[in-house]
Amino acid sequence: NAGVTQTPKFQVLKTGQSMTLQCAQDMNHEYMSWYRQDPGMGLRLIHYSVGAGITDQGEVPNGYNVSRSTTEDFPLRLLSAAPSQTSVYFCASSPTGGRTEAFFGQGTRLTVV
Amino acid sequence: LAKTTQPISMDSYEGQEVNITCSHNNIATNDYITWYQQFPSQGPRFIIQGYKTKVTNEVASLFIPADRKSSTLSLPRVSLSDTAVYYCLVVRSSASKIIFGSGTRLSIRP
Repeated sequence: NAGVTQTPKFQVLKTGQSMTLQCAQDMNHEYMSWYRQDPGMGLRLIHYSVGAGITDQGEVPNGYNVSRSTTEDFPLRLLSAAPSQTSVYFCASSPTGGRTEAFFGQGTRLTVV
Repeated sequence: LAKTTQPISMDSYEGQEVNITCSHNNIATNDYITWYQQFPSQGPRFIIQGYKTKVTNEVASLFIPADRKSSTLSLPRVSLSDTAVYYCLVVRSSASKIIFGSGTRLSIRP
């Protein structure tokens, strides 16, 4: 019972590089989301999806792209990495968003140098 | 969604009951109050959710007064392992985004 799986767990990028953070869930949840968490801070919503083919912006979407081609996967793309994107990234899924319980992955720690 | 306000940090001792209060003055009729717990280097974990009055599970109790403008998470007889950040969220019943605030950093001492 894997739940929400994020890869990689750690990543170091150079400024200007691009990469994709992977997120997969095996619970057949419709709602998936990406958050970033800076040191000592709360989680901020980047993008979310209420189902395959549907995505929307959260609180801090600039510099990130998402797509949702399947129910299981919700990758987050950094287009041109900047030091300000150094953070821990969490992916979450829940049956329908809103009041349903969200399950989180273990996070990806990203450092941009 | 209603903005939430909660203490930045709290300290307590093992064996004590801890109450963390959250303010959500602009809560709407179809909003629910949800609490998550986050340990260092882990993603948040759902603790409890309620709409009004009192909800209790094996981990915590949630008290919500009639006007629903605040709520209190109660952790009975805390231990060192309850040291974590606790987030109070207001979530809408329909499919919608889930927004976290800054949370309350709870430290439990021996």
